[in-house]
Amino acid sequence: GQNIDQPTEMTATEGAIVQINCTYQTSGFNGLFWYQQHAGEAPTFLSYNVLDGLEEKGRFSSFLSRSKGYSYLLLKELQMKDSASYLCAFDNTDKLIFGTGTRLQVFP
Amino acid sequence: GAGVSQSPSNKVTEKGKDVELRCDPISGHTALYWYRQSLGQGLEFLIYFQGNSAPDKSGLPSDRFSAERTGGSVSTLTIQRTQQEDSAVYLCASSIGAYYGYTFGSGTRLTVV
Repeated sequence: GQNIDQPTEMTATEGAIVQINCTYQTSGFNGLFWYQQHAGEAPTFLSYNVLDGLEEKGRFSSFLSRSKGYSYLLLKELQMKDSASYLCAFDNTDKLIFGTGTRLQVFP
Repeated sequence: GAGVSQSPSNKVTEKGKDVELRCDPISGHTALYWYRQSLGQGLEFLIYFQGNSAPDKSGLPSDRFSAERTGGSVSTLTIQRTQQEDSAVYLCASSIGAYYGYTFGSGTRLTVV
């Protein structure tokens, strides 16, 4: 079967670093995506990993281990505007299967 | 257009009525997806169109739901005999391939009363 799991909520302080974990199980896998969704808005693409390892993009980095079915999104130098939901998704036969999302609240 | 356009942005309908939701993808994007998001939940896959291939309808929750894509561009999601549990935000996305990430529209918020 298919399954994707991530924490429901996290909190962090402005300027800090936060890591959002995602685990998944699937028979078909073509890559792992992270999306950001602010309340009341559409999701926006953050990152894509298809090979094992770390992909860095400014303040955001994403890591993938295919053998462990595990990914994380690392957010550095947190800003108030980073308060949002972060959605993990895997590509299964050309469609994305999403987790329920992690709601991150950043406090001053 | 520059982005994925969905209409209407909000729809309130009475239980039992049919509704049509429209999606206009980014020009040149061959792939089009419909998802729905219930309050506080993740995105639930509904249906996927790729070029002229038969659509992947594996996520449609019941036979009350159907979708079509005309001319490889605009798509319409139809929900017949709406029920209160159909209340959700319906999101459309387009892509030149999942590898490149999806661009989502702003969604249609459907409320069934």
